[in-house]
Amino acid sequence: NAGVTQTPKFQVLKTGQSMTLQCAQDMNHEYMSWYRQDPGMGLRLIHYSVGAGITDQGEVPNGYNVSRSTTEDFPLRLLSAAPSQTSVYFCASSYTDLRRHYGYTFGSGTRLTVV
Amino acid sequence: SQQGEEDPQALSIQEGENATMNCSYKTSINNLQWYRQNSGRGLVHLILIRSNEREKHSGRLRVTLDTSKKSSSLLITASRAADTASYFCAPTSSGNTPLVFGKGTRLSVIA
Repeated sequence: NAGVTQTPKFQVLKTGQSMTLQCAQDMNHEYMSWYRQDPGMGLRLIHYSVGAGITDQGEVPNGYNVSRSTTEDFPLRLLSAAPSQTSVYFCASSYTDLRRHYGYTFGSGTRLTVV
Repeated sequence: SQQGEEDPQALSIQEGENATMNCSYKTSINNLQWYRQNSGRGLVHLILIRSNEREKHSGRLRVTLDTSKKSSSLLITASRAADTASYFCAPTSSGNTPLVFGKGTRLSVIA
């Protein structure tokens, strides 16, 4: 199993550019989420989804859009990149049924720099 | 969703010693999870303990849960330099609510 795959691993953007961070999982997990982590900080939740067609905002959603058209994919779109969005982005997935739940599986992250 | 609070914020020990870190939370849970993050990497799930369990072991890890005190502890025995990482707890109430992470405990194991 590949688990949770994030692409790209590194990206440099200019202020105002847009881009999409990709996240794909092959475990048939219903739940997927995006976090950002700034230096020396914990993870902050951006958006999450409990199934295809359902998304919701987390703690820091401004400047980001998501969609969930399939169970496998949960892309994160930066609409107009700002230096404050320089961070490491992590995608995670899990089952929603707690009887099957064994914890979240995280991707290896996308390191984004906005100049 | 609720956030766990880890304590201490930082811990430095010698190789071979035991490391204990604690987690407190505010409302009732279904389970509590512990994660490890090595520098620059994604979080790795270590262990999940359900609300009807009091203690769980996995290799050198021992997790306890006290639902009356709304707290959990993670013990790493015979620590190694490779255990150097940040550790996060995540109390979970349902599968549909997101995990919210605190700042974690930064563990340094000195060889």
